[in-house]
Amino acid sequence: DVKVTQSSRYLVKRTGEKVFLECVQDMDHENMFWYRQDPGLGLRLIYFSYDVKMKEKGDIPEGYSVSREKKERFSLILESASTNQTSMYLCASTLGRGVQAFFGQGTRLTVV
Amino acid sequence: KQEVTQIPAALSVPEGENLVLNCSFTDSAIYNLQWFRQDPGKGLTSLLLIQSSQREQTSGRLNASLDKSSGRSTLYIAASQPGDSATYLCAARISDMRFGAGTRLTVKP
Repeated sequence: DVKVTQSSRYLVKRTGEKVFLECVQDMDHENMFWYRQDPGLGLRLIYFSYDVKMKEKGDIPEGYSVSREKKERFSLILESASTNQTSMYLCASTLGRGVQAFFGQGTRLTVV
Repeated sequence: KQEVTQIPAALSVPEGENLVLNCSFTDSAIYNLQWFRQDPGKGLTSLLLIQSSQREQTSGRLNASLDKSSGRSTLYIAASQPGDSATYLCAARISDMRFGAGTRLTVKP
């Protein structure tokens, strides 16, 4: 089975900190995604990546950046965490556009 | 930009009922449509994937259909059980992957 692993289930950070959320997949998938999920707003796309060193902005990239130096790892970076970035963050990967997507277990981030 | 809508937002049914969840999308040039289940505080679990060339997919008590021309997909759950209680999300894939807001299903014993 495909496994998508997010580095933390729960994270508490202070305002202004630089925060790294890591996502690793073990099936050589090309496409990887970062979403945030908030009550009443559903899943919103932050960034996605077609392949190594490639990235595309989603709907809400402001305040975030990403890194994909290796195929299996897609990192989401909060440059200076703010309280409005408190959310559930979900990572997904797919082999290509026509195939099934797999999700990690999610990271619940609280910024205080 | 692809917009995905799910109706209803919430649904409560007694155990044993058959039910239909709806998903609509604005751009019919999709590669596939995928249905997911999400339990509270957890990630998403894939239920069914329908390719753009397919009309339906079945897995156990679940059946998903796709009508690309009208921008609609449905998820049919037969003989619902309390364990089916969860939020169900659909996602339409073009270059990126867009989600509906989900339908929160409660199946009462």
